[in-house]
Amino acid sequence: DIQMTQSPSSLSASVGDRVTITCRTSQSISSYLNWYQQKPGKAPKLLIYAASSLQSGVPSRFSGSGSGTDFTLTISSLQPEDFATYYCQQSYSSFTFGPGTKVDIK
Amino acid sequence: QLQLQESGPGLVKPSETLSLTCTVSGGSISSSSDYWGWIRQPPGKGLEWIGSIYNSGRTYYNPSLKSRVTISVDTSKNHFSLRLTSVTATDTAVYYCARHVLAVAGTPGEWFDPWGQGTLVTVSS
Repeated sequence: DIQMTQSPSSLSASVGDRVTITCRTSQSISSYLNWYQQKPGKAPKLLIYAASSLQSGVPSRFSGSGSGTDFTLTISSLQPEDFATYYCQQSYSSFTFGPGTKVDIK
Repeated sequence: QLQLQESGPGLVKPSETLSLTCTVSGGSISSSSDYWGWIRQPPGKGLEWIGSIYNSGRTYYNPSLKSRVTISVDTSKNHFSLRLTSVTATDTAVYYCARHVLAVAGTPGEWFDPWGQGTLVTVSS
């Protein structure tokens, strides 16, 4: 099984901050990595697929990068609506999600 | 706009079978080239893929749940269903259905989009 970790598990940031979340996998998954945003009481929403492709309708302040075992999700300028939990998900071997990173207000 | 909606009992007794249905609107399961999946999230915890089905009925399941899971599809009703047998308290979770998007040419991977709003199923006597 492919194990996934995310760091940090939580972070506090201010509006306008640049935020970077890291996802690491236990083996190389090429670019088979997606990112989701989940707000309390809501379903996850796809942000990034194939490591770096922005889903239609998602603001351009979100970006993804990486390949192999190390991936990052970057929010260039944090907005009030971006406070949420972010999950990575691999599809290289079955489908598993990372444990999540909670972004809250500083 | 494609929308998915879960439905089913919110309370299931231990050892019994959990049954949920996901109704798709704004698109047709039968004409879609994608799969349709179930994912769950225990309260306060992370996400776990349960399994996915194609409109032909072809399925694949999470190996950790495979012995207890059945996913079926009814294209005439444009819905697909989940059955999870012999439930315990650890199966208490919000259950989501989602379109399971298959890789397109030149794009690696598969993903889930959009998702239904989710339904909380509690396993308790």
